[in-house]
Amino acid sequence: AQSVTQPDIHITVSEGASLELRCNYSYGATPYLFWYVQSPGQGLQLLLKYFSGDTLVQGIKGFEAEFKRSQSSFNLRKPSVHWSDAAEYFCAVGAEVFTGGGNKLTFGTGTQLKVEL
Amino acid sequence: GAVVSQHPSRVICKSGTSVKIECRSLDFQATTMFWYRQFPKKSLMLMATSNEGSKATYEQGVEKDKFLINHASLTLSTLTVTSAHPEDSSFYICSARGPGGYGYTFGSGTRLTVV
Repeated sequence: AQSVTQPDIHITVSEGASLELRCNYSYGATPYLFWYVQSPGQGLQLLLKYFSGDTLVQGIKGFEAEFKRSQSSFNLRKPSVHWSDAAEYFCAVGAEVFTGGGNKLTFGTGTQLKVEL
Repeated sequence: GAVVSQHPSRVICKSGTSVKIECRSLDFQATTMFWYRQFPKKSLMLMATSNEGSKATYEQGVEKDKFLINHASLTLSTLTVTSAHPEDSSFYICSARGPGGYGYTFGSGTRLTVV
């Protein structure tokens, strides 16, 4: 069964500092990996996704993530955090894209990011 | 880009009544839709997966008769919480996936409060 671990429940960084949110996954085949951001009372917004190709993925809002198969990780990074980045961040893993059917996503427990001004 | 509209955003209902939540894909055909439940400060729990024109597949522990899911068209799926009770109060989020397979687009969620 697929699973995702986000070891950090809360992270606090100063505005302008760099950020790294950790994500480790467990999946038997080629994973389809995602990072989502959620503001309070809102749905999820996709930051970036990885399926294949270049292991360093660029996303929206200046975020990037690196897929490391040997470490089963897909950590999210941002070189300089803005106060508006404060939110909940979820890592998710899904099945390979072209198999059809449900291919459900499994989410990590999330990391709450707080940005100090 | 792909947009999923979810309504209502908030609903308060009396215990024992039923509530319907709609999830629409606005600019693409959603062959598969997913319904999640999110508890406060918790992750998303998948409740069920629905494919257009077929019965939904429910996750273990989710009551089929309690949470009725209908996916009658390629752009609309509904979740009906029947005979709602206070413990059903939660944040419900839908997600839709198009035929190409890439991407899961999420709705903005529905805050259900049962009083």
